[in-house]
Amino acid sequence: NAGVTQTPKFQVLKTGQSMTLQCAQDMNHEYMSWYRQDPGMGLRLIHYSVGAGITDQGEVPNGYNVSRSTTEDFPLRLLSAAPSQTSVYFCASSKIPNSPLHFGNGTRLTVT
Amino acid sequence: GENVEQHPSTLSVQEGDSAVIKCTYSDSASNYFPWYKQELGKRPQLIIDIRSNVGEKKDQRIAVTLNKTAKHFSLHITETQPEDSAVYFCAASRGSQGNLIFGKGTKLSVKP
Repeated sequence: NAGVTQTPKFQVLKTGQSMTLQCAQDMNHEYMSWYRQDPGMGLRLIHYSVGAGITDQGEVPNGYNVSRSTTEDFPLRLLSAAPSQTSVYFCASSKIPNSPLHFGNGTRLTVT
Repeated sequence: GENVEQHPSTLSVQEGDSAVIKCTYSDSASNYFPWYKQELGKRPQLIIDIRSNVGEKKDQRIAVTLNKTAKHFSLHITETQPEDSAVYFCAASRGSQGNLIFGKGTKLSVKP
């Protein structure tokens, strides 16, 4: 099993550009989530999904969209990148909510 | 909203000493409390977790204690080693949704 796979590892965007961060898991996990990590701020939840077709907002959802068309994939979309979205983004999954989260290796995003 | 406070933000100990990191949570419905270790440039990885029906759990040199009445839980690392140096995050589940809310992290340094 590959676990949770995130692409790309690094990305530089200009303000106003759009992009999609990809996340895929091969563990048949129902629960998937996106976090951003900023220095001194810990991990903050952006969006999450408890199953295919179901998504909901976390603590910091503004500026981000998600969809969950399959159990395996949970892409995160930035529609119009802003410098405040410069961060490290982690995708994570678990078998069910309230159970151990498995994290991907992260995507380091810089918006200039 | 619900939050998790984590202290201290930095901790420096001598090899062989014990280290204790404390967290408090606000959501009385929280019932799952994991701890993650993150080495520099890597993804967070689960090291131990505890559920609300248990007061203490131990795994070799690592233990977690939970006081539901006071809404706090702690990570104890005994006989620390240089490879324990990392950032440690506590988290608490948020109500029935099962999302994890993270503390801001503790940077542990173990000096040889």
